[in-house]
Amino acid sequence: DAGITQSPRHKVTETGTPVTLRCHQTENHRYMYWYRQDPGHGLRLIHYSYGVKDTDKGEVSDGYSVSRSKTEDFLLTLESATSSQTSVYFCAISVGLGQDYEQYFGPGTRLTVT
Amino acid sequence: GENVEQHPSTLSVQEGDSAVIKCTYSDSASNYFPWYKQELGKRPQLIIDIRSNVGEKKDQRIAVTLNKTAKHFSLHITETQPEDSAVYFCAASGTYKYIFGTGTRLKVLA
Repeated sequence: DAGITQSPRHKVTETGTPVTLRCHQTENHRYMYWYRQDPGHGLRLIHYSYGVKDTDKGEVSDGYSVSRSKTEDFLLTLESATSSQTSVYFCAISVGLGQDYEQYFGPGTRLTVT
Repeated sequence: GENVEQHPSTLSVQEGDSAVIKCTYSDSASNYFPWYKQELGKRPQLIIDIRSNVGEKKDQRIAVTLNKTAKHFSLHITETQPEDSAVYFCAASGTYKYIFGTGTRLKVLA
């Protein structure tokens, strides 16, 4: 499982409430990612990080913010959750160096916004 | 923007037959092309990948081909088995950023 955990694994929240999802890795890899997965859309990149305090937006970043204060943790925050953010969220890491790298996924968090 | 198109969206094959899934990418800087298998309720799992300096790679019953000129790459599964039933995703990556296709649901009929 490449040493990736996500918490919580399931969450139900109400519209307008803040939500934070946590991704934790045990092996100090530099690159970490947050994706959302929805039927018909595959995996879409929300934000990614290339080091502590170094983050960048992906293709669906509106309504989401991230923080990485430690190498091992990458947090995804929905400041004010909306029903359109109901989804399965996957964290991922890139393992390897230079041109020889691979991406592995965490177990996912199922978020329902009511 | 950058995108990856994947076809077909669903594919049904008889057990023992071959399955082919095709992807097309737009970003010429892409040089790494992984394939993931996702079973229901599970995380995507890396099953095979290919880099731009290679045209074909094989691992037992699965193989991937890459045509950089045409910006196409394909997944081939031979002698399909019921346990191959899953959703398969292709992706293209340049520098640590990945763009995924929308997935192919493969059903292997016994």
